[in-house]
Amino acid sequence: DIQMTQSPSSLPASLGDRVTITCRASQDIGNYLRWFQQKPGKSPRLMIYGATNLANGVPSRFSGSRSGSDYSLTINSLESEDMAIYYCLQHNEYPYTFGAGTKLELK
Amino acid sequence: EVQLVETGGGLVQPGKSLKLTCATSGFTFSNAWMHWVRQSPEKQLEWVAQIKAKSNNYATYYAESVKGRFTISRDDSKSSVYLQMNSLKEEDTAIYYCTQSSYWGQGVMVTVSS
Repeated sequence: DIQMTQSPSSLPASLGDRVTITCRASQDIGNYLRWFQQKPGKSPRLMIYGATNLANGVPSRFSGSRSGSDYSLTINSLESEDMAIYYCLQHNEYPYTFGAGTKLELK
Repeated sequence: EVQLVETGGGLVQPGKSLKLTCATSGFTFSNAWMHWVRQSPEKQLEWVAQIKAKSNNYATYYAESVKGRFTISRDDSKSSVYLQMNSLKEEDTAIYYCTQSSYWGQGVMVTVSS
């Protein structure tokens, strides 16, 4: 199975900060990488697909990038509504696998 | 408006069965590849199963942890996808989500306990 190593597991940050979350794939997954946001008591919400494409309705302060086997989600100018857990998902190969999640919280 | 509504969860004893239903609307279900994803009490997400569309011969795929015990199916006439869960184990306890990748249901809780 492809392992998705997500870091950090917890990320304290202040409003207005620029933050980056990273997932490293254990094998080549091309650009078959999605990022999800999950708030307490809610379902996951698709934020980024194809590693770099913004999903419908997602604010432009979110962006996705790739460098080799490292995939990153960056949030510019953090807002209070961005506090959530973020997960990456590889869907290049079965079984699809998620990262362990990054909890973004106010410092 | 896209909607996915899961039903059928509950408390069940180990070794028993349960069938989840996901009723959908607001998108062309017959063309959609549908998934079940679960989230453990520790918040870890796990992809469970996928069923492709008729044009892909309704191909199915499963996580190793559920292979041979769970069966995903669909009824395009009802825009619904199902997850038949047999020989349930305590480690199957989770919130089960139906998803079309971009859209997710609200989830349904399955608790396996004696």
